Amino acid sequence: NAGVTQTPKFQVLKTGQSMTLQCAQDMNHNSMYWYRQDPGMGLRLIYYSASEGTTDKGEVPNGYNVSRLNKREFSLRLESAAPSQTSVYFCASSTTGQLTSGNTIYFGEGSWLTVV
Amino acid sequence: AQTVTQSQPEMSVQEAETVTLSCTYDTSENNYYLFWYKQPPSRQMILVIRQEAYKQQNATENRFSVNFQKAAKSFSLKISDSQLGDTAMYFCALPTLQGGSEKLVFGKGMKLTVNP
Repeated sequence: NAGVTQTPKFQVLKTGQSMTLQCAQDMNHNSMYWYRQDPGMGLRLIYYSASEGTTDKGEVPNGYNVSRLNKREFSLRLESAAPSQTSVYFCASSTTGQLTSGNTIYFGEGSWLTVV
Repeated sequence: AQTVTQSQPEMSVQEAETVTLSCTYDTSENNYYLFWYKQPPSRQMILVIRQEAYKQQNATENRFSVNFQKAAKSFSLKISDSQLGDTAMYFCALPTLQGGSEKLVFGKGMKLTVNP
């Protein structure tokens, strides 16, 4: 079972470059999420998508865009990378309406992004 | 707004000892779930335990148990007989529902080191 798959796993970017992080899930989940993890800050929500065709801003959306391409895929784009976007990025998915009912969220393995 | 607070950034314990990780939260919901996630050095996010607010009995999963104090909005994790493999970051998390969309709010995490 693949679960949640993120690519790439590692990337080094120069300031001002753009890139897209790809995420796909094979669990037929409606909801998908992008989090970033920074030391001492925990996991902070960047964007989320409750269903295909909808996206919403999370806690730290500035500098990012997302696309919910279809039910399986949710991509995160950095249009002009900045050193402050150096982080570990996690994609996650869940069954809509189930988090508050006690079902877990499923995470990808993370993408390490360094902006120099 | 729902918030999750983990005030201890780091702890260490000797192998076989018991350790308690603290978490406080704020929510306006009456019934809800709370989660503890473990993130070992591999960065994989692993669900450790969950607690439903309506249940008075504290959840237990093998060596992991919680002390849930609803009135105090406290949700601590107790690890008994600590093992080297328990070395990890631990995150407390609260599912929230906002505008019909669910998301998971995390605390800042606590780094636990189990020493031989």
